[in-house]
Amino acid sequence: ENVLTQSPGTLSLSPGERITLSCRARQSISSNLVAWYQQNTGQAPRLLIYGASIRATGIPDRFSGSGSGTDFTLTISRLEPEDFAVYYCQHYGDSPYTFGQGTKLEIK
Amino acid sequence: EVQLVQSGAEVKKPGESLKISCKGSGYSFITQWIGWVRQMPGKGLEWMGSIYPTDSETKYSPSFQGQVTISVDKSITTAYLQWNSLKASDTAMYYCVRGGYYPYLFHYWGQGSLVTVSS
Repeated sequence: ENVLTQSPGTLSLSPGERITLSCRARQSISSNLVAWYQQNTGQAPRLLIYGASIRATGIPDRFSGSGSGTDFTLTISRLEPEDFAVYYCQHYGDSPYTFGQGTKLEIK
Repeated sequence: EVQLVQSGAEVKKPGESLKISCKGSGYSFITQWIGWVRQMPGKGLEWMGSIYPTDSETKYSPSFQGQVTISVDKSITTAYLQWNSLKASDTAMYYCVRGGYYPYLFHYWGQGSLVTVSS
């Protein structure tokens, strides 16, 4: 099983700030088959980024992803109030298709 | 518009059986893998397994193999997640998910079905 470790666990930030979240895999992920999801409180997750850097349909361009091999990042250039949520990375190339444990963004 | 509409919240006792459902619409149901993701209270996301409706080929996460059964009824474009004997530790939100070209990249999510198991 390819364990994904996200850091930090929780971040307290203010609207307008820039943030980069980290996702590190125990084993190299082929073809950059890494996705990022956002989950707001009480809602189902939604897909933000796939293929490590491709924004899903309708996702604002303040969200960007990068990385390869074992290290991947999600950057939010200017935090909006609706961005304070939990973010999960996931690999989807080999079973089991594991998620990271999540990073929670809180309003400072 | 792709929609995954799940069955409602359930409250069950340990040892009881349960089958929850997920109805897909707005796309060719039989040609896309459909799966389930568990989220225990206050915890993260766990892929449980997925099924290909065309031939009911099913893949399970090792963590859930033998613990649940995933099935599908093509005639009513509905997928199911079933337990034969619930445990308190099955208390969680369960999301129905659908991939696309990559079956395990979850573009679409149902609204979730909350299962509570308590004596």
